[in-house]
Amino acid sequence: NAGVTQTPKFQVLKTGQSMTLQCAQDMNHEYMSWYRQDPGMGLRLIHYSVGAGITDQGEVPNGYNVSRSTTEDFPLRLLSAAPSQTSVYFCASSYMGLRTDTQYFGPGTRLTVL
Amino acid sequence: AQSVTQLGSHVSVSEGALVLLRCNYSSSVPPYLFWYVQYPNQGLQLLLKYTSAATLVKGINGFEAEFKKSETSFHLTKPSAHMSDAAEYFCAVSEGYGGSQGNLIFGKGTKLSVKP
Repeated sequence: NAGVTQTPKFQVLKTGQSMTLQCAQDMNHEYMSWYRQDPGMGLRLIHYSVGAGITDQGEVPNGYNVSRSTTEDFPLRLLSAAPSQTSVYFCASSYMGLRTDTQYFGPGTRLTVL
Repeated sequence: AQSVTQLGSHVSVSEGALVLLRCNYSSSVPPYLFWYVQYPNQGLQLLLKYTSAATLVKGINGFEAEFKKSETSFHLTKPSAHMSDAAEYFCAVSEGYGGSQGNLIFGKGTKLSVKP
């Protein structure tokens, strides 16, 4: 199993550009999520999904869109990048999204917006 | 609402010394608590979790944590630090409600340095 994979590893954007961060998992997990990590802030939840076709907002959803058309994939779209979106982005998945489930994290995408 | 506070953004210990990383939580429901470790330029890896079974939880790499309800704490310890333990450690609590119950709320993290 590859686990949770993310592409790209690094990305530099100009303000106003759009892009999609890819996330895939091969563990047949129903729950997937996106977090952003900023220095001194820990990880904050952007969006999550409890199954294909179901998504919801987390703590910091503004400026990001998600969709979940398959169990395996959960892409994160930046519609119009802003410098405030410079961050490290982590995708995670868990079996059913229960309180006791372990979340498995991808290696991250480091995004810089100029 | 759930929240997590990690005391100390940086902790430095000597190799062989006790590691103690502090985590206090606030939760309106019985909490489920997690410790994750992040090595430089990597994703997060689960160290251990408390899911209301034993209050003393043993994890990987010799780490353990004790759930103390009266103190609302879940501190992480290791008897003897290794150089390889240098990393950032995150305490987290699961959100606990309905469809969002699996969402994690993280503390701000504690960076552990180990001196030779």
